[in-house]
Amino acid sequence: DSGVTQTPKHLITATGQRVTLRCSPRSGDLSVYWYQQSLDQGLQFLIQYYNGEERAKGNILERFSAQQFPDLHSELNLSSLELGDSALYFCASSGGEWHEKLFFGSGTQLSVL
Amino acid sequence: AQKVTQAQTEISVVEKEDVTLDCVYETRDTTYYLFWYKQPPSGELVFLIRRNSFDEQNEISGRYSWNFQKSTSSFNFTITASQVVDSAVYFCALSDDTGKLIFGQGTTLQVKP
Repeated sequence: DSGVTQTPKHLITATGQRVTLRCSPRSGDLSVYWYQQSLDQGLQFLIQYYNGEERAKGNILERFSAQQFPDLHSELNLSSLELGDSALYFCASSGGEWHEKLFFGSGTQLSVL
Repeated sequence: AQKVTQAQTEISVVEKEDVTLDCVYETRDTTYYLFWYKQPPSGELVFLIRRNSFDEQNEISGRYSWNFQKSTSSFNFTITASQVVDSAVYFCALSDDTGKLIFGQGTTLQVKP
């Protein structure tokens, strides 16, 4: 158990809908990262937050947004969903130092039908 | 730009064979960290090793060993006497100065009994 909690584990929705994925980092970790894993794109970095502030942004679509709350949990919002958004979404956490290993949650499998 | 390449998409071996997973990276940083993660069929990402750019000593942990060669920008992973439980997708990754990991495309290892 990595200590990172992601909910829900599975999500099935329709095109055009909006969903929210939730992540609780390991106790004491200040940094949260979101990754998308799909068969054709591999593990793609989406966005990183550190202590409530956005620290780095990857190839995150404008339809996607995230935030980190004062209690350090994070949410990833995906809107106007398309079939191609179907993927496994991972959250990871670390203390925030650049050389630290990341602890990953078990992921949220999103299926857009 | 930083990049990680895992040229081997899939490898299939018979149990007890040794297998080496290749990883080549690109970075302009003089200080950097490299990682290997394992993703078993259950889907979670499990940390295996972290190595910093100043430490070129090879590391062995049980049946696992890692060969870091700065001269060739490679960080290869060898499993000795492979077992069926080693079947998984293995990812090599490079950290950047924000702490996020840049992953390779992954190598799927199938170990047959």
